[in-house]
Amino acid sequence: AQSVTQPDIHITVSEGASLELRCNYSYGATPYLFWYVQSPGQGLQLLLKYFSGDTLVQGIKGFEAEFKRSQSSFNLRKPSVHWSDAAEYFCAVGRGGADGLTFGKGTHLIIQP
Amino acid sequence: DGGITQSPKYLFRKEGQNVTLSCEQNLNHDAMYWYRQDPGQGLRLIYYSQIVNDFQKGDIAEGYSVSREKKESFPLTVTSAQKNPTAFYLCASRRGTGELFFGEGSRLTVL
Repeated sequence: AQSVTQPDIHITVSEGASLELRCNYSYGATPYLFWYVQSPGQGLQLLLKYFSGDTLVQGIKGFEAEFKRSQSSFNLRKPSVHWSDAAEYFCAVGRGGADGLTFGKGTHLIIQP
Repeated sequence: DGGITQSPKYLFRKEGQNVTLSCEQNLNHDAMYWYRQDPGQGLRLIYYSQIVNDFQKGDIAEGYSVSREKKESFPLTVTSAQKNPTAFYLCASRRGTGELFFGEGSRLTVL
């Protein structure tokens, strides 16, 4: 069965500092991988996705993620965070099938001034 | 603009009542989904539908029901059999390449 692990429940970063959110997955085949962001009381917005090809993918709002097959990881990074990046971040895995995506439990990002 | 509309945004229910959450999309997507979100639990799949008049149970379908009479609409009913219905409910549709697009969510509180 597929699964997603986000090891960090909470992360606190100073504004302007770099960010890395971790995501590890378990999947039987080459997965499609996604990062979503959720502001409080809102729906999820897609940040970026990986299907195949270049293992470093660029997304919206200055985010990027790197797919590492050997480590079963798809970590999200941003060189310099802004206070508006404070939110919940979810990693998800799937294969484009009808049963949708499997989500991790999320990482809550706190930005310190 | 294309998107997914969920209503109501907030809903209160007395114990023993059924309630229905609305989800409408104008993205022309075939597949639609309902997820439940609880603090610290991520998103858990309740039901999904690939086409009109067809739907499948997800991981936590007990106490819920759905219908898919139109491509655009996928309402979720939270029945009185759902023992702990207080949660945030998210509806989504799937693009052909696999990513999901989400509505703004509906928060259900049992009084």
